Amino acid sequence: DTAVSQTPKYLVTQMGNDKSIKCEQNLGHDTMYWYKQDSKKFLKIMFSYNNKELIINETVPNRFSPKSPDKAHLNLHINSLELGDSAVYFCASSHRSGTYGELFFGEGSRLTVL
Amino acid sequence: AQKVTQAQTEISVVEKEDVTLDCVYETRDTTYYLFWYKQPPSGELVFLIRRNSFDEQNEISGRYSWNFQKSTSSFNFTITASQVVDSAVYFCALISNNAGNMLTFGGGTRLMVKP
Repeated sequence: DTAVSQTPKYLVTQMGNDKSIKCEQNLGHDTMYWYKQDSKKFLKIMFSYNNKELIINETVPNRFSPKSPDKAHLNLHINSLELGDSAVYFCASSHRSGTYGELFFGEGSRLTVL
Repeated sequence: AQKVTQAQTEISVVEKEDVTLDCVYETRDTTYYLFWYKQPPSGELVFLIRRNSFDEQNEISGRYSWNFQKSTSSFNFTITASQVVDSAVYFCALISNNAGNMLTFGGGTRLMVKP
């Protein structure tokens, strides 16, 4: 069973469209994240979320929004896609109980905006 | 604010050579955790190690070893007798108590091991 799964793995779309990437974890973790990896491989945190708080990286445009229907899911919605949004998006999860365990990552979703 | 610097963007070695990947971090917190992740060509991120700020013992796991030095804010990673399968991008990362649960990654070091 995949611990953290993301769908779709590949997404090609036009500028201006709205799209979503889904993420699910079956590890019983209480915290989930979205990271963006650009073409230079640089990994940047976008959001950190547990059932109590959402922490947003201030550099993330408000066109990006995380939505969590329950503890095991954290979906990423992107409105009005731009060329610069092309990247690989990684979902991750971890326990957060005063100590910071390892993050388990999904396999990534490659978004290409044309 | 926290920051991780991996000064080596790319390293190329020949199989069986030893190689050390450098990682220097900055944080104002006294409690923090350091990580290394591997990203092979297939793209997934693979956890390698976690170390907390109160544990400066070096660690060895097979051909991998890590040297944590608080005095120089470094957490270096050495691969002994490198193999072609070690070719990947390696990321050092940091999370500290007051960072809002945000793991900060270094820019990564691309390691190429040639046969």
